[in-house]
Amino acid sequence: SQQGEEDPQALSIQEGENATMNCSYKTSINNLQWYRQNSGRGLVHLILIRSNEREKHSGRLRVTLDTSKKSSSLLITASRAADTASYFCANEGSARQLTFGSGTQLTVLP
Amino acid sequence: EAGVAQSPRYKIIEKRQSVAFWCNPISGHATLYWYQQILGQGPKLLIQFQNNGVVDDSQLPKDRFSAERLKGVDSTLKIQPAKLEDSAVYLCASSSLAGGYQETQYFGPGTRLLVL
Repeated sequence: SQQGEEDPQALSIQEGENATMNCSYKTSINNLQWYRQNSGRGLVHLILIRSNEREKHSGRLRVTLDTSKKSSSLLITASRAADTASYFCANEGSARQLTFGSGTQLTVLP
Repeated sequence: EAGVAQSPRYKIIEKRQSVAFWCNPISGHATLYWYQQILGQGPKLLIQFQNNGVVDDSQLPKDRFSAERLKGVDSTLKIQPAKLEDSAVYLCASSSLAGGYQETQYFGPGTRLLVL
C-alpha cells in the first residue's frame, strides 16, 4: 500500500501544550499537505509544503519536510480544546491526486 | 463562496442493493475527486475527474462501482451491488487548476453509508 503511516495513532495532551504528529511514506514525497477532520465532518486543508521546502509556518502550525527520509511532521503550538480532531497527511501524486496517511487522533483536554 | 455539496448525508441499505451518491463541486473547479473513508482510516481516492474526463480510476472497484461527471460539473458515484465492506464515508472534493497546478482540494461533508 502507498498509504502514509502516521504516528502516533492517538495523542492526548493538556490545553496549552504542543502537539507533534509525524508522517512517513514508502514512496517518494512530492508536495505534501496536512488536513484536519472533525468528527463526522469533511476534511479541511491546513497547510501545503512543497517538495523543495523544508519548513513552513502558518499561525500556530509548523510543518517540516524531509524528502530524503520520506517524512513530514506537523507541530501545533499552544493547543486549544478546539484543536481536537483527526489530522491527516497527504502526499501528492503526479496528477496531483492525494494519498492520505492513516491519521492521528488528537485530543486536547481543557 | 458555496462549498462542495453532497447528498444524501446518510444512507442505510441491504447488501446487494444499489445506491447512488451525488456531488456538486465548487463553481468553476475543474477537478473533482471521490474518496472512500473506512472508519479509522484515511481517505482513499476512488476516482479523479478533470472536467468530464477521468484522470485516475485505478483504485475504483469497477465490477461494482461506477462514476460519471456530466457536463464537467455535478458527479454521481454508484455502487451496484453493495457489499458489507462498502460501509464507509464517501467524500467528494474539488479543486481548481492554476498555472497547470492543482490547487487545494475542498471537501464536502460526505455521505455515510451503512450496508447491512
